[in-house]
Amino acid sequence: TQLLEQSPQFLSIQEGENLTVYCNSSSVFSSLQWYRQEPGEGPVLLVTVVTGGEVKKLKRLTFQFGDARKDSSLHITAAQPGDTGLYLCAGSSNDYKLSFGAGTTVTVRA
Amino acid sequence: NAGVTQTPKFQVLKTGQSMTLQCAQDMNHEYMSWYRQDPGMGLRLIHYSVGAGITDQGEVPNGYNVSRSTTEDFPLRLLSAAPSQTSVYFCASSYTINYNEQFFGPGTRLTVL
Repeated sequence: TQLLEQSPQFLSIQEGENLTVYCNSSSVFSSLQWYRQEPGEGPVLLVTVVTGGEVKKLKRLTFQFGDARKDSSLHITAAQPGDTGLYLCAGSSNDYKLSFGAGTTVTVRA
Repeated sequence: NAGVTQTPKFQVLKTGQSMTLQCAQDMNHEYMSWYRQDPGMGLRLIHYSVGAGITDQGEVPNGYNVSRSTTEDFPLRLLSAAPSQTSVYFCASSYTINYNEQFFGPGTRLTVL
């Protein structure tokens, strides 16, 4: 059973469209991270959120941490082919273990 | 800095064989961990270490051993390979587990026949 549930599992959109990926859990996390992984490589950190209700922006990417620190979302505005990849959320609960969601595969068509 | 390095990149084993996946980091990180990644399941924690001489089990530790004799190295040993261990293995390191960026290696793709 996945501690963190990500949805959707797959997302295919046209260049210029917007998309949102969700990460939900019944557990409270002290921090939540989003990573992007490209084929044949390890995940690379995009952002860490630590405060309930926190919103962080990274160029066209907007990350939000839920008020109760149980859920998060990643919104991409005007997606580009370079945004294609596997997006993973990961939560930490102060027990030295990082739990990952199953990931959302995003494909942006030119 | 080389970051996190893993060897080998690819490996094929027969059932029952043993092997060691190597992981090294040159960032003086205290925390290191091993994950396996299977389709549709994200990354699952196998073992982790919060410093030299200290290791602990993660979510899926059975069939794997680790040791941490130095800050830099964190090898993962498969004692008797099984087809269920066919996966992509990632090593990661960070200054601490909380709030800190996990740096991942490039992965080892293991196939057990």
